[in-house]
Amino acid sequence: SYVLTQPPSVSVAPGQTARITCGAYNIGSKSVHWYQQKPGQAPVLVLYDDSDRPSGIPERFSGSNSGNTATLTISRVEAGDEADYYCQVWDSISDDVVFGGGTKLTVL
Amino acid sequence: EVQLVQSGGGLVQPGGSLRLSCAASEFTFSASWMSWVRQAPGKGLEWVANIKQDGSEKYYVDSVKGRFTISRDNARNSLYLQMNSLRAEDTAVYYCARLSSAFDYWGQGTLVAVSS
Repeated sequence: SYVLTQPPSVSVAPGQTARITCGAYNIGSKSVHWYQQKPGQAPVLVLYDDSDRPSGIPERFSGSNSGNTATLTISRVEAGDEADYYCQVWDSISDDVVFGGGTKLTVL
Repeated sequence: EVQLVQSGGGLVQPGGSLRLSCAASEFTFSASWMSWVRQAPGKGLEWVANIKQDGSEKYYVDSVKGRFTISRDNARNSLYLQMNSLRAEDTAVYYCARLSSAFDYWGQGTLVAVSS
């Protein structure tokens, strides 16, 4: 099965840039989606198809995907960005939806 | 505003059954793939099942195949998850979600606890 690997945690100071990676073999050939989840809340889609933002998501959220790594970049990090972030792809071979293990973003 | 309102869930004994419901509004439900995603306590997200617009195609994660059934009623704008032969490891918050290229709208989640 296809496995997405994320770092368990990332820490960043307010105003700095946070980068959260999602690694897998040839992930660059797939469309990657990213979700933000705050404690006790449902996930929220923050990026789809590697780098597109849904309506209402700030431009501070951007994404890239190439080779074996997809990256969610959050610029000018704010305290309100503190959350768990998950990457997700569709594995066309198994017809399964796959989530990464999640990354806890801590704003120092 | 798109809404997915979930109901069902609760405490059930191992081997028991439960049915989750998800009522959709403010979008064309019959034109949308729909899904269930779950999250065990303190764990990450796990996809459970997808269903095509007309219900003709259904996909499941291996761990629930043969035990869970996803279904829909387009006349009622509703999605369902019938869960049979429940196990302790099925304990989780279950979310319904609309699937476009990504899961763009989510329900509020409902807790299913499997315990004796």
